[in-house]
Amino acid sequence: QSALTQPRSVSGSPGQSVTISCTGTSSDVGGYNYVSWYQQHPGKVPKVMIYDVNKRPAGVPDRFSGSKSGNTASLTISGLQADDEADYYCCSYAGSYVFGTGTKVTVL
Amino acid sequence: EVQLVESGGGLIQPGGSLRLSCAASGFTFSSYDMHWVRQGTGKGLEWVSTIETAGDPYYPDSVRGRFTISRENAKNSLYLQMNSLRAEDTAVYYCARGHDDYWYFDLWGRGTLVTVSS
Repeated sequence: QSALTQPRSVSGSPGQSVTISCTGTSSDVGGYNYVSWYQQHPGKVPKVMIYDVNKRPAGVPDRFSGSKSGNTASLTISGLQADDEADYYCCSYAGSYVFGTGTKVTVL
Repeated sequence: EVQLVESGGGLIQPGGSLRLSCAASGFTFSSYDMHWVRQGTGKGLEWVSTIETAGDPYYPDSVRGRFTISRENAKNSLYLQMNSLRAEDTAVYYCARGHDDYWYFDLWGRGTLVTVSS
């Protein structure tokens, strides 16, 4: 049950795209299509942005998209906006839950 | 209003015990799996426990044998009994609802802070 591996930080200018990776194993990310992504602004509660690898809950902008290849899932934010600056966590369900290490997205 | 409100956090000495509560409102509590997720100061999210609608509990190795999750559907309440607390258990503890069709957390409380220190 080791935490999934994410880059500590990524950055981009407004309007650009950034991609956050989330690497696990064949026992979690690679074995199931139950990857979700959470956005957390400082001092705030996490908010789900993507579930089941690439599905968006109602109200989440289509600038947020998810994908998976092998043991690595990815979150892409297109058309980066100032409010996208936050911490992002991936999460995999495989009989139990495991979160990623978290990535800070900075909008330059 | 659909919401989760945690309570019971505080300062506790290493080796001590604490019971967290989560009051649910605005939805049919008994129909949802419920979870506890924690976050150390400046750290990432960590899944702590799950209790299914049928009452079956699940834990990661880090808390198994020390923490016990339970629910009281008649009171729309979720609990976490934490024993043999360690400094590394210091964190904000969030109560979260599992989506009824998919494997993700769709509703979070604002959290309650547990500090384990002498």
